[in-house]
Amino acid sequence: DGGITQSPKYLFRKEGQNVTLSCEQNLNHDAMYWYRQDPGQGLRLIYYSQIVNDFQKGDIAEGYSVSREKKESFPLTVTSAQKNPTAFYLCASSKLKDTQYFGPGTRLTVL
Amino acid sequence: AQSVTQPDIHITVSEGASLELRCNYSYGATPYLFWYVQSPGQGLQLLLKYFSGDTLVQGIKGFEAEFKRSQSSFNLRKPSVHWSDAAEYFCAVGASTDSWGKLQFGAGTQVVVTP
Repeated sequence: DGGITQSPKYLFRKEGQNVTLSCEQNLNHDAMYWYRQDPGQGLRLIYYSQIVNDFQKGDIAEGYSVSREKKESFPLTVTSAQKNPTAFYLCASSKLKDTQYFGPGTRLTVL
Repeated sequence: AQSVTQPDIHITVSEGASLELRCNYSYGATPYLFWYVQSPGQGLQLLLKYFSGDTLVQGIKGFEAEFKRSQSSFNLRKPSVHWSDAAEYFCAVGASTDSWGKLQFGAGTQVVVTP
């Protein structure tokens, strides 16, 4: 089955902790994206990557970091510098300049 | 500045009635356009897209959308809604000159379907 998987589905973080959200795709897509979704605000782009070992900041990159060591994987780390990390995080992938397909999401809650 | 506006935050419609969701955009380049649907706690599912050609686009689940360049709009329609259409709908716009394929999303329209 081709698709995008995200894990975990739910994640809880204590103040001052870094946490890493996983995103894997087996669609052979070159581009991958991370979005943050808050109620009433739509989706906002955090980071994106077009090729392995290269990525670019999106609109709200502060407090987040990513890596792209493999074409299939694009993990997102939410660092302690992110002041308000509670949100729903969505990963997407696409061929270049083509339709983005989304994973099921990870809901992160700060305790 | 590039922007996408979905003027209606919330729409209530009776089952069997028609539905129209509005999307307006402000983009300097030739846009490509999408509508996605999201059920609670889920990811986004693509309903339809417009890249070029016929401005009336057919999608899944009986939805269609019309691109009107003169009005900078890409409104989504369905002739007869089903209870399963209750969800949040997002319009998204990208610039055809943007090699990264970055999308700008609207804030979403929540659709409630009543019996």
